[in-house]
Amino acid sequence: AQTVTQSQPEMSVQEAETVTLSCTYDTSENNYYLFWYKQPPSRQMILVIRQEAYKQQNATENRFSVNFQKAAKSFSLKISDSQLGDTAMYFCAFMKLPPGNTPLVFGKGTRLSVIA
Amino acid sequence: KAGVTQTPRYLIKTRGQQVTLSCSPISGHRSVSWYQQTPGQGLQFLFEYFSETQRNKGNFPGRFSGRQFSNSRSEMNVSTLELGDSALYLCASRLTTAGTPETQYFGPGTRLLVL
Repeated sequence: AQTVTQSQPEMSVQEAETVTLSCTYDTSENNYYLFWYKQPPSRQMILVIRQEAYKQQNATENRFSVNFQKAAKSFSLKISDSQLGDTAMYFCAFMKLPPGNTPLVFGKGTRLSVIA
Repeated sequence: KAGVTQTPRYLIKTRGQQVTLSCSPISGHRSVSWYQQTPGQGLQFLFEYFSETQRNKGNFPGRFSGRQFSNSRSEMNVSTLELGDSALYLCASRLTTAGTPETQYFGPGTRLLVL
């Protein structure tokens, strides 16, 4: 079974600064997807970024980028130029590829506070 | 395109009652998954429906059940409610083409409080 670990329960960052959230996972699979989801106080789960394990290039979405280290089973999220609206819970999630349809496996989350 | 919608948004029930939650996926999405979120256990997978068939199930008791209709809308039912069923129930939909796991898009959730 796959497990996802987020070792930082809470983090804070000054507005406009950069912050990195850590995520490690355990799997025997070779083909899978990794995701970062954001859950603001509204509780709506929002996709931040997605990484396919077969791609060596790290995914980037505007101010959000990942550092994917497949051998180390590490998948960190870097938020640049942090904004107050980035304040949220951030969840790292794993999904293996077929065969077999599999659900998302989530970490426990990191609560990020952006301070003005 | 409208996002995933869930109704009701909030619900208060008493122990022993049953409850039905509804989820309407993004138009064209054929898969609907349900997750339970609690402070203690985090996000846990309940089940997934695709083309009206349950194709994956998490480790929850039989009191938790679901179904999917021909228009891809899904309902989940919890019978004989227990205090521990108090949680945020999230629904997620994805397109699902053969052999490819697409990104899941989440609804706003239904917050259930069992008294």
